[in-house]
Amino acid sequence: QVQLQESGPGLVKPSETLSLTCTVSGGSVSGGSYYWSWIRQPAGKGLEWIGYIYYSGSTNYNPSLKSRVTFSLDTSKNQFSLKLSSVTAADTAVYYCARVLRPQWYMDVWGKGTTVTVSS
Amino acid sequence: QSVLTQPPSVSGAPGQRVTISCTGSSSNIGAGYDVHWYQQLPGTAPKLLIYDNTNRPSGVPDRFSDSKSGTSASLAITGLQAEDEADYYCQSYDSSLSGYVFGTGTKVTVL
Repeated sequence: QVQLQESGPGLVKPSETLSLTCTVSGGSVSGGSYYWSWIRQPAGKGLEWIGYIYYSGSTNYNPSLKSRVTFSLDTSKNQFSLKLSSVTAADTAVYYCARVLRPQWYMDVWGKGTTVTVSS
Repeated sequence: QSVLTQPPSVSGAPGQRVTISCTGSSSNIGAGYDVHWYQQLPGTAPKLLIYDNTNRPSGVPDRFSDSKSGTSASLAITGLQAEDEADYYCQSYDSSLSGYVFGTGTKVTVL
């Protein structure tokens, strides 16, 4: 059974870079059937798609975040990562990683989420 | 930025039927892309509820069903139970983003 686990600092200072990693167990990030995605949810608000990465390394980002986001994939560690630069309080949220089935575009496996607070 | 619109809340008594609408546009639902639904219980990650318009993952009761027409979709919960109290999100692919979009979310309250 595939499981995803987010990890990274829970507190980031304004203007700095938020870095999170998602570790995949029970499956491989190298499979071509999936995209690997990040989604966030501010407290009390809805879900926001951040973007996704394919095993080939190709990426697509939400246009509203594109200028600040970078995804990467480490097949040797079976992980994928998110970097969000120049963060502000508006980036405070629960961040989820998820597996997206191609080509149907639904998320069948989610991590439990990790809370990131942007504050000095 | 959500481009799928849902009502903020719906409520019903135990045993009743409630529906949640999800309104999109010609670049997502109206373009024929599948609509998927997620259930998010308080303090937990979203869970896939219905995928590819009609399918339910193992363990999801058949009290949950959906439909789609034009630029909209709907989730129906029949025989409402206390355990159904949660937030529900629709989701689809959007060709203008080359990515996927979520609905604004609907909180279901069991009276």
